[in-house]
Amino acid sequence: DGGITQSPKYLFRKEGQNVTLSCEQNLNHDAMYWYRQDPGQGLRLIYYSQIVNDFQKGDIAEGYSVSREKKESFPLTVTSAQKNPTAFYLCASSAPGQGNGAQYFGPGTRLLVL
Amino acid sequence: GNSVTQMEGPVTLSEEAFLTINCTYTATGYPSLFWYVQYPGEGLQLLLKATKADDKGSNKGFEATYRKETTSFHLEKGSVQVSDSAVYFCALSAMEYGNKLVFGAGTILRVKS
Repeated sequence: DGGITQSPKYLFRKEGQNVTLSCEQNLNHDAMYWYRQDPGQGLRLIYYSQIVNDFQKGDIAEGYSVSREKKESFPLTVTSAQKNPTAFYLCASSAPGQGNGAQYFGPGTRLLVL
Repeated sequence: GNSVTQMEGPVTLSEEAFLTINCTYTATGYPSLFWYVQYPGEGLQLLLKATKADDKGSNKGFEATYRKETTSFHLEKGSVQVSDSAVYFCALSAMEYGNKLVFGAGTILRVKS
């Protein structure tokens, strides 16, 4: 089955620690995205990548980093510089060639600070 | 700029009631329009979409019509079920923003049995 997987489902971070959230897709999509969702809030864009080896900052990139070495994978690192990392993180992908801009989402990772 | 405005929730309905969640947008061109649904603790699922004026998107009994004249894309369902309880997000995608989606704030729907 084609889709987007995120792991782990829950992740705990200690003070001063970097943690990495995984996102993999087998939809052959060129573009991938990371969003942050806080309780009762909408989605905010962290980073996006429209092609391998290229990515751009979204609206709230500070304290986060990404890489895009493979088409299928777009990991997000939450660094110690992110002072309020507790949130639900959603990864998405899209096929820009389809022209309608629809994005398809993974199941999310909930990050909690110990 | 582009933006999406949704009616505030929560919207609370009894089972089998008629649902409308309003969504209006501002855009400089001809955006594609979407409704996403998020069940508790899960990611977003694409519910339906429309890519040009007067298109009607439909899925699982939900419908929305792209109204260019009123810049609206209201979500409707004739008879809601308890299992429809979720958060609904309206979104648009416009050419001048590449493939980035602009989301509304989301509307919580609660359906009582």
